[in-house]
Amino acid sequence: GAGVSQSPRYKVAKRGQDVALRCDPISGHVSLFWYQQALGQGPEFLTYFQNEAQLDKSGLPSDRFFAERPEGSVSTLKIQRTQQEDSAVYLCASSARQKTGANVLTFGAGSRLTVL
Amino acid sequence: DAKTTQPPSMDCAEGRAANLPCNHSTISGNEYVYWYRQIHSQGPQYIIHGLKNNETNEMASLIITEDRKSSTLILPHATLRDTAVYYCIVKTGANNLFFGTGTRLTVIP
Repeated sequence: GAGVSQSPRYKVAKRGQDVALRCDPISGHVSLFWYQQALGQGPEFLTYFQNEAQLDKSGLPSDRFFAERPEGSVSTLKIQRTQQEDSAVYLCASSARQKTGANVLTFGAGSRLTVL
Repeated sequence: DAKTTQPPSMDCAEGRAANLPCNHSTISGNEYVYWYRQIHSQGPQYIIHGLKNNETNEMASLIITEDRKSSTLILPHATLRDTAVYYCIVKTGANNLFFGTGTRLTVIP
């Protein structure tokens, strides 16, 4: 597709439910990122994939958060036993490395999760 | 890790140039400066990036001081659609970008 596509755009979950958020990156982009954005804050890094390999998951806030990208394209962020503090917008971004070595990210519109 | 400091908010009159400053005094020699913006309810949008030289594209200009400790993003003719939060970022870690809280730019009619 022309851009990064995320679904669902909005998700309401009851506390304790599991949720799965999907990201379709730009075709051919090897790098994929997940960010979490709380209300009024800037995006915060969660995890990074290069193709199917998860190279950095240092930003995942707890072991309830799990991300995968099994075929190096579509990625899923799963949150188990959701808590109210998980309420945020979850942003996915993909990138193709520039010739200069810089790393320009294209973001999706995000998935807004509200945990009641 | 290099971090950035930006004013929390700025106003700019429509049609005038918007100059958004950023301090990054701990930047290392091979780290790029990136600018993104985020319009309400959308994902961040890439604007421009630079290493040492000034850069210009169809959206903006980026002026980096000679010592690389600060930079300025210039929107030459601000429009109402430029109202957004602007993030100045120096790449930290192997791959991630640290966004901070940015500058909320309001373009006033």
